[in-house]
Amino acid sequence: QSVLTQPPSVSAAPGQKVTISCSGSSSNIGNNYVSWYQQLPGTAPKLLIYDNNKRPSGIPDRFSGSKSGTSATLGITGLQTGDEADYYCGTWDSSLSHVVFGGGTKLTVL
Amino acid sequence: EVQLVESGGGLVQPGGSLRLSCAASGFTFSNYWMSWVRQAPGKGLEWVANIKKDGSEKYYVDSVKGRFTISRDNAQNSLYLQMNSLRADDTAVYYCARGEGGYCSGGSCYLGYWYFDLWGRGTLVTVSS
Repeated sequence: QSVLTQPPSVSAAPGQKVTISCSGSSSNIGNNYVSWYQQLPGTAPKLLIYDNNKRPSGIPDRFSGSKSGTSATLGITGLQTGDEADYYCGTWDSSLSHVVFGGGTKLTVL
Repeated sequence: EVQLVESGGGLVQPGGSLRLSCAASGFTFSNYWMSWVRQAPGKGLEWVANIKKDGSEKYYVDSVKGRFTISRDNAQNSLYLQMNSLRADDTAVYYCARGEGGYCSGGSCYLGYWYFDLWGRGTLVTVSS
């Protein structure tokens, strides 16, 4: 059971938009910053979003992040088949003194 | 090239020990917090441990406290994970990751901005008899 809650799967057609939610509590998302990671099949995770809504150099603006209260959301527009991957949210939990992740969401581009 | 390369994984019996290494290159290793993150087969990501830039602060997930030790050698640009009393549920790919967002002042550290901005390819640890 992950500290952060994500839907197990989402799907959408190429060119469409999808959002992935990440729900936590005041000890993690509510008072700290959220990051998002993309893990393509058979590869290591890659940073997509940090500080709730900032994109590292090289990440296209099709990827966006937001946070409200104890929840965060990853948005992906203009879906491509190459976006099929597992997506994870993460943050620091101040009560546990742990980094915590969501259970991951598998994105299928139909 | 900026990269992290893990090594040291393999097959070990329950109760055994293993030491993982991570070689960093292409950046000033001593300027960054470092971490280990693991992923059991078919499962999600699980953070294992963090270590401060100078090695003076360490954090562990509860399930490995007392069994695993994270350490670093800044002169050798290397990160380590000593794993003792290994159990079947420690079976996973272990990733070395560079951390950002840790700030320390006056003897205490704040990690609320934490994120992993660089990952290695991972090394597989299998605990089985």
